[in-house]
Amino acid sequence: ELKVEQNPLFLSMQEGKNYTIYCNYSTTSDRLYWYRQDPGKSLESLFVLLSNGAVKQEGRLMASLDTKARLSTLHITAAVHDLSATYFCAVDAETSGSRLTFGEGTQLTVNP
Amino acid sequence: GAGVSQSPSNKVTEKGKDVELRCDPISGHTALYWYRQSLGQGLEFLIYFQGNSAPDKSGLPSDRFSAERTGGSVSTLTIQRTQQEDSAVYLCASSFYYEQYFGPGTRLTVT
Repeated sequence: ELKVEQNPLFLSMQEGKNYTIYCNYSTTSDRLYWYRQDPGKSLESLFVLLSNGAVKQEGRLMASLDTKARLSTLHITAAVHDLSATYFCAVDAETSGSRLTFGEGTQLTVNP
Repeated sequence: GAGVSQSPSNKVTEKGKDVELRCDPISGHTALYWYRQSLGQGLEFLIYFQGNSAPDKSGLPSDRFSAERTGGSVSTLTIQRTQQEDSAVYLCASSFYYEQYFGPGTRLTVT
């Protein structure tokens, strides 16, 4: 059974600081996704990582993938309040077709 | 263009009643997925449709849950004899290749 684990689950940080969210998964994966969810809203796609060593950046967020370590990271640079949300990683594993298995989510709060 | 739409946005029902949730995928997307998000269980896969192939129903939690997709487009998720543990947000997603785009969800409350 594919397992996806995120840490930390809760993150409170000050504006201007940097931090990293980690996503570990338990089996070979074709693709790794990061989503953002605001309270009461649906999932917004942030990044799709397709191969080992893939790195993608958008604004203050940068995601990377190490398929050998089965690890993805979401790095936040100089956080701002608008980044406060819950971030999910999800894996699209070879053995489970196209369905996504999600991590537990990281609830990020950026304080002024 | 238009994204994935779902209706209703909120549904309150009494225990034991049947409910139908609707999903309109993005036009041209061949794959459609249903997921459930609840406090205790996080985000869980329910069912997956791809073109004309038999659906992957492996995530449906019980035989009270069923789904169909008509004409390769609109999908309906039906929950029979609802129970309180069915209370959750039901999310639909569609894709053309691999990236899944999610709808706004239907919040189901079973009283």
